[in-house]
Amino acid sequence: DTEVTQTPKHLVMGMTNKKSLKCEQHMGHRAMYWYKQKAKKPPELMFVYSYEKLSINESVPSRFSPECPNSSLLNLHLHALQPEDSALYLCASSQDPGVGKNIQYFGAGTRLSVL
Amino acid sequence: GESVGLHLPTLSVQEGDNSIINCAYSNSASDYFIWYKQESGKGPQFIIDIRSNMDKRQGQRVTVLLNKTVKHLSLQIAATQPGDSAVYFCAVVSSGSARQLTFGSGTQLTVLP
Repeated sequence: DTEVTQTPKHLVMGMTNKKSLKCEQHMGHRAMYWYKQKAKKPPELMFVYSYEKLSINESVPSRFSPECPNSSLLNLHLHALQPEDSALYLCASSQDPGVGKNIQYFGAGTRLSVL
Repeated sequence: GESVGLHLPTLSVQEGDNSIINCAYSNSASDYFIWYKQESGKGPQFIIDIRSNMDKRQGQRVTVLLNKTVKHLSLQIAATQPGDSAVYFCAVVSSGSARQLTFGSGTQLTVLP
């Protein structure tokens, strides 16, 4: 089983709203990732959690706030977003971030529209 | 840093023909490579990977070739089927502790009936 589950599948929010994206995996993976993907572009890395600690923040604006409550869950809290933040948000997980063969498995994503 | 590019943004093939999708990378320290398939409305799906100590790896109907001399890899799909229509990304991992993926720009494969 290589399943990463993301909820919700679709989200529409106003610029003053607060919402959260959720991601869950039960593969025992110790690294989890958030990516942003615009239409017809490759995924862009936002955050990496390694053993439940934030290890990489790719200079993401503070209106995006990640959280890793435990080794199976990853959240992305959203507040005061801009219309240009509309995109597909992908979660991924991998067995161990430092291991040579480190396949990342992706969820189906949350399609976010900011009005 | 690493930059990864694909040679063609789109590729159309007849059903039953073989497909070849190419990818170039810049960092000679890259040591691990992955191909992903992304269908419309879905997340990227792992297809096949290869380490830098290999030059060829085969899966079911797919083969990845790696040429480290010219920093090039390719994905070959045999007997392409309609279900193969998707965007294909190569992703490159450079040696070092971070081991993050750098994605290429993607090739849209369309299978014609």
